[in-house]
This record gives sequence, C-alpha cells and structure tokens, in this order.
Amino acid sequence: GQQVMQIPQYQHVQEGEDFTTYCNSSTTLSNIQWYKQRPGGHPVFLIQLVKSGEVKKQKRLTFQFGEAKKNSSLHITATQTTDVGTYFCAGERQAGTALIFGKGTTLSVSS
Amino acid sequence: DAGVIQSPRHEVTEMGQEVTLRCKPISGHNSLFWYRQTMMRGLELLIYFNNNVPIDDSGMPEDRFSAKMPNASFSTLKIQPSEPRDSAVYFCASSLQGPTEAFFGQGTRLTVV
Repeated sequence: GQQVMQIPQYQHVQEGEDFTTYCNSSTTLSNIQWYKQRPGGHPVFLIQLVKSGEVKKQKRLTFQFGEAKKNSSLHITATQTTDVGTYFCAGERQAGTALIFGKGTTLSVSS
Repeated sequence: DAGVIQSPRHEVTEMGQEVTLRCKPISGHNSLFWYRQTMMRGLELLIYFNNNVPIDDSGMPEDRFSAKMPNASFSTLKIQPSEPRDSAVYFCASSLQGPTEAFFGQGTRLTVV
C-alpha cells in the first residue's frame, strides 16, 4: 500500500540555522499536507499543497510539492526555539480516503 | 468553538478490561478520524467516518477494536479486552469534508498495565 516516508527522523540545529525535512511517497498524491506537533501536544495543520510544483510560504516556512506529486519539502529559514517540534507530512491513501502520515521529523533547536 | 473534544485525557486500566474513548468533533464537520500514536509506529489511522458512515476501517488492528459514530456530534472507540500493547495516545480528528485540514483533539493517553 501507499507509504509516506520522511527524512531525517531527527534534526538538531543551532538557533538561526536553516532546517529542511523531506517527504516521499511511493505513489502519486492528490495533495500533501503538513502538520506540526509540539512536545506533549497534538498535530496542528500547517498547509496543504495541491498543484504540481506548487510553492507556498508562511513567514519563515517554505513548502514545496514536487513536479511528479510524489515528494514534498518543508524548509525553515533561521530557526527559532519556537520551531521545536515534530513536523509531519500526510497524503491521502487514495483520493477521498483518509490521511496517511509520515513518521515525522523531530526538530530540536538550541540557543 | 472549543475544537475537537476528547475524553478522558488519561486512562490507566488493567489488561483485560474494556476501555471506551470518546470524541466530540467540531460542529459542522462531516469527517471524523481516529488515529493512534506510538514512538515505534508513529501516527496510524484506525478508522475514518464520513457523514457518520465508516469509510475506511482497514487500520483497525483486530476485532478487539470497534468504533461507532451514532450521530454527527459523537464518536466512540472501544477496546475490549485491552492489552498492554494497546498503550498509546489516541487522537480523534475532524474536518469539514474528507481528508483535508484535519483538526486534532488533545488526545487520550491510554496505559494498559
């Protein structure tokens, strides 16, 4: 079945450094979503990408959806301690079915 | 809106006991999801309801797990009998329609001893 793989599993950076997490699917996705989960918290929706090659920005966060709609990335510029948490990508198993989440990338930031 | 409400927040039970987790989705949302999160397996989809009807229950581990959605404002996930390997955080999430922009509840941390 469809799998969504994320790398790296963990990433530690110094405050001010950039961070990127990558998401790859074994099948073409109708869309991809990104969520953030703070330690001890619950996943919170960040963004959804639908179009091939789409790029969206939210302040210091840049999200990309690959041309083949099989991969995506999240890039954070100049990380801050508030960026700490686990970032998940999620795709539909099949169009209209439920979201399947990647294992996530856990980001830690030291000041 | 208070968001997705789950109860209880924490549950400790003995192996073999029945456990019922509850979820109230956001009013007006037509889709509801139950997920289980563990360190080893991450966020796993258990079941997905749309308009109170189960659409995808392929993630339900075994017959010990059952989920119901009797109306648009309430869902339950039952484990009977519970086992230690069921220990996890169980999240309920809802969305307006289908698998897009899911809003998660605070989760129920289940410990089976």
